[in-house]
Amino acid sequence: DQQVKQNSPSLSVQEGRISILNCDYTNSMFDYFLWYKKYPAEGPTFLISISSIKDKNEDGRFTVFLNKSAKHLSLHIVPSQPGDSAVYFCAASRNFNKFYFGSGTKLNVKP
Amino acid sequence: EPEVTQTPSHQVTQMGQEVILRCVPISNHLYFYWYRQILGQKVEFLVSFYNNEISEKSEIFDDQFSVERPDGSNFTLKIRSTKLEDSAMYFCASKARGGDLFYNEQFFGPGTRLTVL
Repeated sequence: DQQVKQNSPSLSVQEGRISILNCDYTNSMFDYFLWYKKYPAEGPTFLISISSIKDKNEDGRFTVFLNKSAKHLSLHIVPSQPGDSAVYFCAASRNFNKFYFGSGTKLNVKP
Repeated sequence: EPEVTQTPSHQVTQMGQEVILRCVPISNHLYFYWYRQILGQKVEFLVSFYNNEISEKSEIFDDQFSVERPDGSNFTLKIRSTKLEDSAMYFCASKARGGDLFYNEQFFGPGTRLTVL
């Protein structure tokens, strides 16, 4: 079941620069997308979300972009900080009952 | 700040034994979920629960699995006869409201690591 894919297992970025994490999905019926951040030994923490009626949502240093025609979403973090180092999961849902997660991208922000 | 809690943090069991994983969701939340993450793999949806019944379940959630909200505060996942491949981190999550496009955050617990020997 590969309805949500994160093709980059890891990303390394210098502090202060932009981090761009990508996510692709296959189900055009998904209407809600989320990004979660996960530290080792902790549960995922909600970061930012976007509904399918929008193409951009911004919250502080975090911006999520949705390209429905390409079935692609991305998370931009700018400026990146060492504390952002974690595994980032994208997730998608239809009708909010069942959420499909990507495999995660491990972000390392170097000081 | 309210949080989802899970017990135990680590459960070791023998194959074929029953296990019950416990979760205490945030008190005013109405929607409850179980997920699992096998080591090195993605987070997988297991089941969602609302109004004392299962709303949705994945193909992983077969007859060996069941969920219950026995007392209005706990939300449990039972695995009747554990298999080696059930070894994973199990995360509980809860959510305040339903189909709201503008507020749909799931709050996750810290997880229970299940090891089946």
